[in-house]
Amino acid sequence: AQKVTQAQTEISVVEKEDVTLDCVYETRDTTYYLFWYKQPPSGELVFLIRRNSFDEQNEISGRYSWNFQKSTSSFNFTITASQVVDSAVYFCALSEAAGNTGKLIFGQGTTLQVKP
Amino acid sequence: NAGVTQTPKFRILKIGQSMTLQCTQDMNHNYMYWYRQDPGMGLKLIYYSVGAGITDKGEVPNGYNVSRSTTEDFPLRLELAAPSQTSVYFCASSWLAGGNEQFFGPGTRLTVL
Repeated sequence: AQKVTQAQTEISVVEKEDVTLDCVYETRDTTYYLFWYKQPPSGELVFLIRRNSFDEQNEISGRYSWNFQKSTSSFNFTITASQVVDSAVYFCALSEAAGNTGKLIFGQGTTLQVKP
Repeated sequence: NAGVTQTPKFRILKIGQSMTLQCTQDMNHNYMYWYRQDPGMGLKLIYYSVGAGITDKGEVPNGYNVSRSTTEDFPLRLELAAPSQTSVYFCASSWLAGGNEQFFGPGTRLTVL
């Protein structure tokens, strides 16, 4: 069965600290996709990144970086030098290729509070 | 290009009432989805559609119905509203499945009293 676990319910940091949000997934599919979405206080969902199961290269985009490790079924997200605007709920999600439906399985989300 | 739009933004229903949540996308996407987000939880899939005329159940379909008569529209019908359906409902669409980014609407906040 597919499952996404974000064990950290809430994280609080002070501005400029680095923070890592953990994501562990379960799937029997060999081809799958992993996503991170951000939900700011305004409530909309903002796409951050997509990774497919065959690409384990880490990715960096500005202050954001992602570490994908198939050996530990993890897809962790690091924010470097956090800012108050990073305060949001962050969701990790999984989509299996089987069936070609694109259905997303979401984790419970991690609420990040960045204090000035 | 409006993306994915949802109406209404907010609604309060009484137990037993029915309503339709509207979702429209103008990106000519084949795939559309309805999710619900309960407080402090992640999103759960209610129904999805892979094209006009084709719909299927997701993880939590009970109490809901959908139809997809056009590519653009994917309404979600609640019959006999119950307090357990109090939630925020998100509609999403994507061009393809296979790991494509889903574009989300702004959500509808529904309260059933």
